[in-house]
Amino acid sequence: DVVMTQSPLSLPVTLGQPASISCRSSQSLVHSDGNTYLIWFQQRPGQSPRRLIYKVSNRDSGVPDRFSGSGSGTDFTLKISRVEAEDVGVYYCMQATHWPVTFGGGTKVEVK
Amino acid sequence: QVQLVESGGGVVQPGGSLRLSCAASGFTFGTSGMHWVRQAPGKGLEWVAFIRYDGRIKNYADSVKGRFTISRDNSKNTLFLQMNSLRREDTALYYCAKGLAAAAPVYWGQGTMVTVSS
Repeated sequence: DVVMTQSPLSLPVTLGQPASISCRSSQSLVHSDGNTYLIWFQQRPGQSPRRLIYKVSNRDSGVPDRFSGSGSGTDFTLKISRVEAEDVGVYYCMQATHWPVTFGGGTKVEVK
Repeated sequence: QVQLVESGGGVVQPGGSLRLSCAASGFTFGTSGMHWVRQAPGKGLEWVAFIRYDGRIKNYADSVKGRFTISRDNSKNTLFLQMNSLRREDTALYYCAKGLAAAAPVYWGQGTMVTVSS
């Protein structure tokens, strides 16, 4: 199975400042169809997860443009350009290139 | 308005069985791949199973393979998860979700809690 490793586990941030989360996979996430199925989810406290980014860098409808995804192969990053209070929660990367689908362990974003 | 409503959770003894349901509305269920994802208390997300829109392709996490079965009834817009030989480590909030990786909107339910305990 593909192992997804996120860092850091916890990310204390100052409101208005940028934040960055890393996600690394144990093997390349490039699918035979040419796409890279790396997805980012946000889970606010007490809520169901919400997808932010699909196929590395495509933002879902309604997701603020302060969120951006980048990367390739086995190394990916989620960036928040200026953290707002509503961004507090846990962020997960997920790969859907290889079966079984696997999630990273999560990164908890909290305000300093 | 899109809705995914899970039901069927509860408390069950180790070795027991439960059948979860997920009632879908507000989108074309019959053309959507569907997933089950679970979250143990205080832990991260764990993918459980996927079923293609027509039910012909199913995939499972290694941790549930041979014990859980995903199925769907497109005539009733309902997704199912039959869980047999339950273990304490299956205790979690079980979410159904539409199309996690698709280039289309993703929807999640609110989850149904399964507790495996004697």
